[in-house]
Amino acid sequence: TQLLEQSPQFLSIQEGENLTVYCNSSSVFSSLQWYRQEPGEGPVLLVTVVTGGEVKKLKRLTFQFGDARKDSSLHITAAQPGDTGLYLCLKGERNTGNQFYFGTGTSLTVIP
Amino acid sequence: DAGVIQSPRHEVTEMGQEVTLRCKPISGHDYLFWYRQTMMRGLELLIYFNNNVPIDDSGMPEDRFSAKMPNASFSTLKIQPSEPRDSAVYFCASSSLGLEETQYFGPGTRLLVL
Repeated sequence: TQLLEQSPQFLSIQEGENLTVYCNSSSVFSSLQWYRQEPGEGPVLLVTVVTGGEVKKLKRLTFQFGDARKDSSLHITAAQPGDTGLYLCLKGERNTGNQFYFGTGTSLTVIP
Repeated sequence: DAGVIQSPRHEVTEMGQEVTLRCKPISGHDYLFWYRQTMMRGLELLIYFNNNVPIDDSGMPEDRFSAKMPNASFSTLKIQPSEPRDSAVYFCASSSLGLEETQYFGPGTRLLVL
């Protein structure tokens, strides 16, 4: 059972373009983290959001947590080749025994 | 700190053989996670430990898989007997305080079962 859906699954854009990727669930998150994974490496944390409606910025990356805490988005402004990678969201469920679920991932390629 | 250390980095074995993957978490981290990543299924949590105690092993695919954490600085994931469908990248991660803390991933072990 896939508990976290990410979209799009694949995205290929030109350098300088903007993009948004999404992470959605049918149930409420206790918290949500975004990770980026480069080829041949393990995922690396980008941000953690815990409050509904929360917006966090990390340079050209803007993360938003939905008001109902069932969805999140990641917006990248003026994408660069260094942004290429697999973007994963991780959902925490504190009230169900500390379970952790990763999303399906969005594979981003930024073409120079 | 050296980060999470995994060994081996690559493993090629034949079906039916025993495979043991090893992980050394970051010193001081109380949580240790084992994940498996494939193209078809993405990144799946297999099992995690808190203070060396297995908390949730519901992701372990079947009895051929077992994981141990004999002390705070070492964990193993064993597959016996291995099958071709076990081919994947296996990641170990560790964190302090658990749920909303950063998980630090190791570089992964790339397993190919022929």
